[in-house]
Amino acid sequence: DVKVTQSSRYLVKRTGEKVFLECVQDMDHENMFWYRQDPGLGLRLIYFSYDVKMKEKGDIPEGYSVSREKKERFSLILESASTNQTSMYLCASRPGTGEGNTIYFGEGSWLTVV
Amino acid sequence: GEDVEQSLFLSVREGDSSVINCTYTDSSSTYLYWYKQEPGAGLQLLTYIFSNMDMKQDQRLTVLLNKKDKHLSLRIADTQTGDSAIYFCAESPAMDTGRRALTFGSGTRLQVQP
Repeated sequence: DVKVTQSSRYLVKRTGEKVFLECVQDMDHENMFWYRQDPGLGLRLIYFSYDVKMKEKGDIPEGYSVSREKKERFSLILESASTNQTSMYLCASRPGTGEGNTIYFGEGSWLTVV
Repeated sequence: GEDVEQSLFLSVREGDSSVINCTYTDSSSTYLYWYKQEPGAGLQLLTYIFSNMDMKQDQRLTVLLNKKDKHLSLRIADTQTGDSAIYFCAESPAMDTGRRALTFGSGTRLQVQP
């Protein structure tokens, strides 16, 4: 089974802190994604990466950056956390090809910024 | 840009059928997906359909696709209390568009009354 692991399930951070959310996948997938989920807004794409050291902005990249130094690991960075970044963050991975070309999600990281 | 829309809420009685509807705008969509999210968890793939199909059945789940109207539905037969969750519709563009991320709807919360 594909496994996408998000290292932190629940975090509480102070305004202005730098926050790292880590994600690891074990299926050698080329593509990795960070989404943010808020009630009534569904999932919104923050950033994605299609290869090591490659990244592309999604729909809401402001206030975030990412790092992909190894194929299996994709990190989301909040340089200076703000209260409007309180949300659930979902990491996902997807192969480049294949039947269904499904995207697989981690369990999510709940971030509260106070 | 690409858009996926769903109604926000559906309530049914246990044992009835549930039908969750979704519309999308991207005519180049290759795969359409249904994901389920239980409280506090990530998204779990339920089923998907290739865009050249009009129906797919998988045990209690039936997916209908009307490509002309860009309408997708998920029917759950004999709905159980364990089916209570948020259901997300998502679409995937053709990989040669360069867009590798899925676009998600806002999710439909299904409430099953005993």
